[in-house]
Amino acid sequence: KNEVEQSPQNLTAQEGEFITINCSYSVGISALHWLQQHPGGGIVSLFMLSSGKKKHGRLIATINIQEKHSSLHITASHPRDSAVYICAVRSRGADGLTFGKGTHLIIQP
Amino acid sequence: GAVVSQHPSWVICKSGTSVKIECRSLDFQATTMFWYRQFPKQSLMLMATSNEGSKATYEQGVEKDKFLINHASLTLSTLTVTSAHPEDSSFYICSAGRRESGTDTQYFGPGTRLTVL
Repeated sequence: KNEVEQSPQNLTAQEGEFITINCSYSVGISALHWLQQHPGGGIVSLFMLSSGKKKHGRLIATINIQEKHSSLHITASHPRDSAVYICAVRSRGADGLTFGKGTHLIIQP
Repeated sequence: GAVVSQHPSWVICKSGTSVKIECRSLDFQATTMFWYRQFPKQSLMLMATSNEGSKATYEQGVEKDKFLINHASLTLSTLTVTSAHPEDSSFYICSAGRRESGTDTQYFGPGTRLTVL
């Protein structure tokens, strides 16, 4: 079983829809990252969370440390949001990240 | 914002040759640099962690003699894939760690796609 599980693996939605991507992890962590990977492979860091909730533009990330669960929400989705969204955790005492397999999101016009 | 560059962005080489990939933090000094690898349709996997001036720490299953990491300065780390084989074809990504407001944040490079023929 992976330490980091994401769902769904694939998601296709219509422009304007509210999107939720979930991430569950099984280890104690010091931080959780949400990353966006574009078709060319480049990665952009969206959020780093250790508790609570963060918002940036149309993106919202929440984390529940007790339940070992995080969600990434996209409001008013747009075709340019189409990408792979990756959840990654930094285990306590570690420096490097452990990644989920990613959620492939397609927003259709 | 913090910028991390990688060079080259893609490389094609023959089996048996060595390939060097550079990772630079352009506008900050990185406390730690990380090397990741991503095979098609798979998640990123940490290969090694390196700190300037010391030997890299490799993850289990990653051969240190095959993937040579040199962390020459606080802004430059290099990964050399020695005697590359087709199974080494992958997407290699580095990230650079920076301490901000008491928190360690990682900034990712754009990645290097290696194809070994």
